[in-house]
Amino acid sequence: QKEVEQDPGPLSVPEGAIVSLNCTYSNSAFQYFMWYRQYSRKGPELLMYTYSSGNKEDGRFTAQVDKSSKYISLFIRDSQPSDSATYLCAMSASAGNMLTFGGGTRLMVKP
Amino acid sequence: DVKVTQSSRYLVKRTGEKVFLECVQDMDHENMFWYRQDPGLGLRLIYFSYDVKMKEKGDIPEGYSVSREKKERFSLILESASTNQTSMYLCASKAGDTHMEQFFGPGTRLTVL
Repeated sequence: QKEVEQDPGPLSVPEGAIVSLNCTYSNSAFQYFMWYRQYSRKGPELLMYTYSSGNKEDGRFTAQVDKSSKYISLFIRDSQPSDSATYLCAMSASAGNMLTFGGGTRLMVKP
Repeated sequence: DVKVTQSSRYLVKRTGEKVFLECVQDMDHENMFWYRQDPGLGLRLIYFSYDVKMKEKGDIPEGYSVSREKKERFSLILESASTNQTSMYLCASKAGDTHMEQFFGPGTRLTVL
């Protein structure tokens, strides 16, 4: 079993939909949780970063962490075609530790 | 803006060849990383370096070596390329141990025939 599981998709939604992307993990030591966005033929770029449990909002994006369930989510409101990309979750036990990545979910937002 | 560049976007090599992948960052970052990305497997860490001439094995170092002679440059070497090393290779850097964000290069798509 992988340490971080993520549904590979693809997830296809119409423009304006609310998108929910999720990861589950098995290592209870993880404290730092990130979402990276990767456009086709580009490297990943950090989208959001949260520490421990709770929610964090940034514009149309909300990151949610439920450590008791070992489950993290990224919500995208009013999705746009420009949101079409692969979304990778990543997590770490501490700032100095290596990141463990999920396999990525490919999202397609259709106009 | 942090910039991480990789020497090639696409590379085709033959089995048994020695392959060099170069990565350069322009933000004086301490840490540099090499990952490979395969469908469904996400990013897997090959090697990382926390200082010049220092290196540590990641999760899948077999068949690879690295070199960091200058702070801004981190090279990945495939001593004898094999077909199972066909993959997307991503380089990343970050400022230091207390920083979380890794900045990625655009990747090198390597095909070994």
